[in-house]
Amino acid sequence: EAGVTQFPSHSVIEKGQTVTLRCDPISGHDNLYWYRRVMGKEIKFLLHFVKESKQDESGMPNNRFLAERTGGTYSTLKVQPAELEDSGVYFCASSRTSGTEAFFGQGTRLTVV
Amino acid sequence: DQQVKQNSPSLSVQEGRISILNCDYTNSMFDYFLWYKKYPAEGPTFLISISSIKDKNEDGRFTVFLNKSAKHLSLHIVPSQPGDSAVYFCAATPDNYGQNFVFGPGTRLSVLP
Repeated sequence: EAGVTQFPSHSVIEKGQTVTLRCDPISGHDNLYWYRRVMGKEIKFLLHFVKESKQDESGMPNNRFLAERTGGTYSTLKVQPAELEDSGVYFCASSRTSGTEAFFGQGTRLTVV
Repeated sequence: DQQVKQNSPSLSVQEGRISILNCDYTNSMFDYFLWYKKYPAEGPTFLISISSIKDKNEDGRFTVFLNKSAKHLSLHIVPSQPGDSAVYFCAATPDNYGQNFVFGPGTRLSVLP
């Protein structure tokens, strides 16, 4: 069974540009989560999808971040326009139900210069 | 304001000895606790969890202890092996938030041969 996959693994963009991160959850997992770790600090929750619906987006930092999960399969996280403080590692995770542990992808390292 | 704290940023242990990683939390609503292990350039990997109705959960070399009155949990690894060297994250979630984890900042464990 394939794990959670994220693309790209690394992205370097200039301030003001747009970047779109993609996450493919484990097949059959209705729950999909985005997290990020900035400057080696703690991993912080961004949002939670149940199928295609946003269950909780309380962790989204501002309206420059837009997450979608059309069709309830893969998800994208778009940052537009990117700022320097957006640099960090963005993790995606998925779980079959909300009562089980989540499996994480390898992360996308975003560097905004 | 960190709700989940791991006050030891790093820990070194001799191979074969016990590793004890500590975690404290402040939110009394947290009901479910997890430990994740993270190797460089990889996403966090689920290790072990414990529900607030228990005070101990064991899985092979890994045991998690929960002291609800002290809002403290710990992860014991015995015997420690060099392959256990990684960053360990404590995570917590209120039961009604599902998998909206709040992560601690992590503890880097080094197991010395």
